[in-house]
Amino acid sequence: DTGVSQDPRHKITKRGQNVTFRCDPISEHNRLYWYRQTLGQGPEFLTYFQNEAQLEKSRLLSDRFSAERPKGSFSTLEIQRTEQGDSAMYLCASSWGTPNNSPLHFGNGTRLTVT
Amino acid sequence: AQSVTQPDIHITVSEGASLELRCNYSYGATPYLFWYVQSPGQGLQLLLKYFSGDTLVQGIKGFEAEFKRSQSSFNLRKPSVHWSDAAEYFCAVGAYDYKLSFGAGTTVTVRA
Repeated sequence: DTGVSQDPRHKITKRGQNVTFRCDPISEHNRLYWYRQTLGQGPEFLTYFQNEAQLEKSRLLSDRFSAERPKGSFSTLEIQRTEQGDSAMYLCASSWGTPNNSPLHFGNGTRLTVT
Repeated sequence: AQSVTQPDIHITVSEGASLELRCNYSYGATPYLFWYVQSPGQGLQLLLKYFSGDTLVQGIKGFEAEFKRSQSSFNLRKPSVHWSDAAEYFCAVGAYDYKLSFGAGTTVTVRA
């Protein structure tokens, strides 16, 4: 169990550029979640996958955001035409079940700064 | 809609003293409730969770929380804090999956 891994840890980009983040969940975890955390706030749910299927997207996830999990293993989160308001910590988490039977494991996050 | 309120933004406590962090939630049914801790630059670590049963829940690192349905509260407590408990603490509410709603967090500072 190597934990949830996120890459990169930090990303600085200029407004208008596209960025992509990667999340490697704990192996055999079929559920994968993306959250966003802005300074001074708690994490906000963005989207989640069960295996390769994206089951739900928050209204926070504008059309500029897209997430994939092509083979039910790692996931990517892409932000197109970044805006300063996208600056945040993007957290990935995984579990093998529901809150009834499986804890949720968080990665250390990718901190995005849009200048 | 589900939501969480953590009334205290920042708490300072002396090492060895007791700690209580408040959490109030809004949820239409029986909630799943969680407390997470986050150290600077790190992800979130689960301290404890409540689904049903005994309303006093024990967690890791000596923490406990009490679910009070009548007050819609799930307060976190620790009898004697250690300097390593300095961190940010988040209360969260959810349903049958992990689409959690988090509070804004409480920062705990421990003074010697």
